[in-house]
Amino acid sequence: SQQGEEDPQALSIQEGENATMNCSYKTSINNLQWYRQNSGRGLVHLILIRSNEREKHSGRLRVTLDTSKKSSSLLITASRAADTASYFCATDAVNTGTASKLTFGTGTRLQVTL
Amino acid sequence: NAGVTQTPKFQVLKTGQSMTLQCAQDMNHEYMSWYRQDPGMGLRLIHYSVGAGITDQGEVPNGYNVSRSTTEDFPLRLLSAAPSQTSVYFCASSYSWGGNEQYFGPGTRLTVT
Repeated sequence: SQQGEEDPQALSIQEGENATMNCSYKTSINNLQWYRQNSGRGLVHLILIRSNEREKHSGRLRVTLDTSKKSSSLLITASRAADTASYFCATDAVNTGTASKLTFGTGTRLQVTL
Repeated sequence: NAGVTQTPKFQVLKTGQSMTLQCAQDMNHEYMSWYRQDPGMGLRLIHYSVGAGITDQGEVPNGYNVSRSTTEDFPLRLLSAAPSQTSVYFCASSYSWGGNEQYFGPGTRLTVT
């Protein structure tokens, strides 16, 4: 079953604009991670935010986490054509006694045009 | 470091054939995992391992076997391929099993006819 669901499914913006993607999940988590996947490639880790954190920054990326609403958002500022990719959230659910298992959402396809 | 490597990159199988997808990492990571990615479904966990000799099932384990005889290698075996196993398979590793960032291989695109 999918723990995380991204919204929107697809997003098209112009270079220089900001892109915001949202992720909702169902159960309590230890952390939430965002990954990027360029077409035909493996996933690349972008940022990890723990359940006791509310906001985190990395370069042009800003991630927020609202555990009361079970949701997260990824903001990419001043987008570039090279940001064109699919973006996935992945949750590490609280699961006593077993190893961490990430559950991925279905992704947001971001297209950045010149 | 080569990171996480997977072979082959592409494979076509006939229904009923078996094969092994190879995965290796050179980062001395404890945790390794296999996912499949289908259109519109995101990634789903097949099997994972928290160290040499220890494996466990993920969300969609049926039809697949794994073993972990060394820290570096984590092969995925398809026992009797079915068209439903047509997918892109990704291997990933992380430093420990405690929910850290995962490093992904480039993937194997498998088609079963």
